[in-house]
Amino acid sequence: ETGVTQTPRHLVMGMTNKKSLKCEQHLGHNAMYWYKQSAKKPLELMFVYSLEERVENNSVPSRFSPECPNSSHLFLHLHTLQPEDSALYLCASSQPGASSRYAFFGQGTRLTVV
Amino acid sequence: KQEVTQIPAALSVPEGENLVLNCSFTDSAIYNLQWFRQDPGKGLTSLLLIQSSQREQTSGRLNASLDKSSGRSTLYIAASQPGDSATYLCAVCQGTGGGNKLTFGTGTQLKVEL
Repeated sequence: ETGVTQTPRHLVMGMTNKKSLKCEQHLGHNAMYWYKQSAKKPLELMFVYSLEERVENNSVPSRFSPECPNSSHLFLHLHTLQPEDSALYLCASSQPGASSRYAFFGQGTRLTVV
Repeated sequence: KQEVTQIPAALSVPEGENLVLNCSFTDSAIYNLQWFRQDPGKGLTSLLLIQSSQREQTSGRLNASLDKSSGRSTLYIAASQPGDSATYLCAVCQGTGGGNKLTFGTGTQLKVEL
């Protein structure tokens, strides 16, 4: 248990569905991140939020829409996804100003688009 | 653009053997380098973090080194055990806006056999 909780753990959705992934951290961190892990590829940074403001959008298609309502919660809203979007989606948090800058990851949501 | 490479991609060793995993990166302007462990279908567990000003970090049977000027890090695992079987990921941390971003390698898949 790293202090970062993701729900659901598994999700199967059709290409016309709308769903949301949720991430919650109670570590007092003020930065949260979404990463994507596809088969045979390195983890890719998708979005960075610092103090609830998006500071980086790593060329992610608009069918992925992040939301950070407060410093403890991060969502990833999904709509009209493609089969190639099937992957493990990982949420992380960190305290950027801290000297260590450790990143803590959740257990991920395994997404399958059918 | 930062690129991280890990060698070897896969490694199989008998129990008790000492082993070294390698990581190289192209841009030396980093805050730190982290080594993570990932079990199949799971999230990431942080193993060691080396600050850019440090040369080495140790935790139990694990020792990580960093040579920032040459863009290299190694993870040394002593007296390997079957429970060490997992994928080991190296990631370098750089700043982005008010947050940090991690750039990952593709990992080394380790199998320790009885």
